[in-house]
Amino acid sequence: NAGVTQTPKFRVLKTGQSMTLLCAQDMNHEYMYWYRQDPGMGLRLIHYSVGEGTTAKGEVPDGYNVSRLKKQNFLLGLESAAPSQTSVYFCASTEYNEQFFGPGTRLTVL
Amino acid sequence: AQRVTQPEKLLSVFKGAPVELKCNYSYSGSPELFWYVQYSRQRLQLLLRHISRESIKGFTADLNKGETSFHLKKPFAQEEDSAMYYCALSGTSGSRLTFGEGTQLTVNP
Repeated sequence: NAGVTQTPKFRVLKTGQSMTLLCAQDMNHEYMYWYRQDPGMGLRLIHYSVGEGTTAKGEVPDGYNVSRLKKQNFLLGLESAAPSQTSVYFCASTEYNEQFFGPGTRLTVL
Repeated sequence: AQRVTQPEKLLSVFKGAPVELKCNYSYSGSPELFWYVQYSRQRLQLLLRHISRESIKGFTADLNKGETSFHLKKPFAQEEDSAMYYCALSGTSGSRLTFGEGTQLTVNP
């Protein structure tokens, strides 16, 4: 099992550009999450999904959109990137309240 | 609302010394508490959870509902314990986690 994977690992964007981060899990988990990790602020939940076709807002959803068209994939989109979205993004999926994390995507917005 | 506070952003100890990473929470119901660890250049992983009451890598944590705390302790720190540690809480709203700000632990030789 690959567990939770994320694509890409690194990305540099210019302000106003758009991009999509892909999260995939092969553990058949229903719940999936997107977090951002910033120094001194811990992990903050952006959006989450409780199953295929469903999404919900987390703590810091503004500027992001998500889709869960297939159970194994959870996509995070930035329509118009801003420097404030420079961060490390982690995806996770859950089984029995234990969250399994991906390796992270380091995004820099210039 | 649920909240997790880790008052120490940085913690430095010497090898062999005891270490305690503090975690306080606020939640009106019965929460489930976790400690996650992130070693350098690795993904976050679960270290322990209060309901399992087990010791992992020599670490223990006891849920104190009276003081609303879930401090992580180890009697003798090792250099390989150097990492970022996050305390997290799950309430009755399913498996969503609220994370603390994290504590960067450095164990010096």
